[in-house]
Amino acid sequence: EIVLTQSPATLSLSPGERATLSCRASQSVSNYLAWYQQKPGQAPRLLISDASIRATGISARFSGSGSGTDFTLTISSLEPEDFAVYYCQQRSNWPLTFGGGTKVEIK
Amino acid sequence: DVQLVESGGGLVQPGGSLRLSCAASGFTFSSFAVTWVRQAPGKGLEWVSNISGGSGGSTTYADSVKGRFTISRDNSKNTLYLQMNSLRAEDTAVYYCARASGFLSFFDYWGHGNLVTVSS
Repeated sequence: EIVLTQSPATLSLSPGERATLSCRASQSVSNYLAWYQQKPGQAPRLLISDASIRATGISARFSGSGSGTDFTLTISSLEPEDFAVYYCQQRSNWPLTFGGGTKVEIK
Repeated sequence: DVQLVESGGGLVQPGGSLRLSCAASGFTFSSFAVTWVRQAPGKGLEWVSNISGGSGGSTTYADSVKGRFTISRDNSKNTLYLQMNSLRAEDTAVYYCARASGFLSFFDYWGHGNLVTVSS
């Protein structure tokens, strides 16, 4: 099973600041990595697929990068609605696995 | 608009059974793989099971549910199912259905989720 480790667990930032979230895979997943956003009481929402492809309707302030085992989700300038939990997910191999999540909270 | 609406959750005793349904609309259901993902209270996301598009001839399961859960689909009703047997306390979670862009893939549309509580 491919284990995805997200860091940090919690990121405390102010609106307007830049957020950098990390996801590290226990073995190479090529570029087969996605990022999701989840707000309390809501379903996850796909932000990024295949490491860097923004999903339909996702703001350009969200960007993804990386390949192999190290990936980054960057939010260029935090808006109030961006404070949420973010998960990465790999589709390189079964079982599909998610990272443990990074909570982006208001400082 | 793509919509996925889960139903069938609730309280069940350990060892019991429950069937979840997920009604899909706004897209050609038969053409897409679909999945179940769950989230225990206060925890992260856990993939449960996938079924391929078309006749649903391919299915796959997480080890934690293999042999106890069965995923199926009825394309005539645009509905996905998850039959859950021999339920355990650790199966307590919000269960989400989601559309996948392929059998081994990501999930681009999600339902609102349905809570399953396994407790005596």
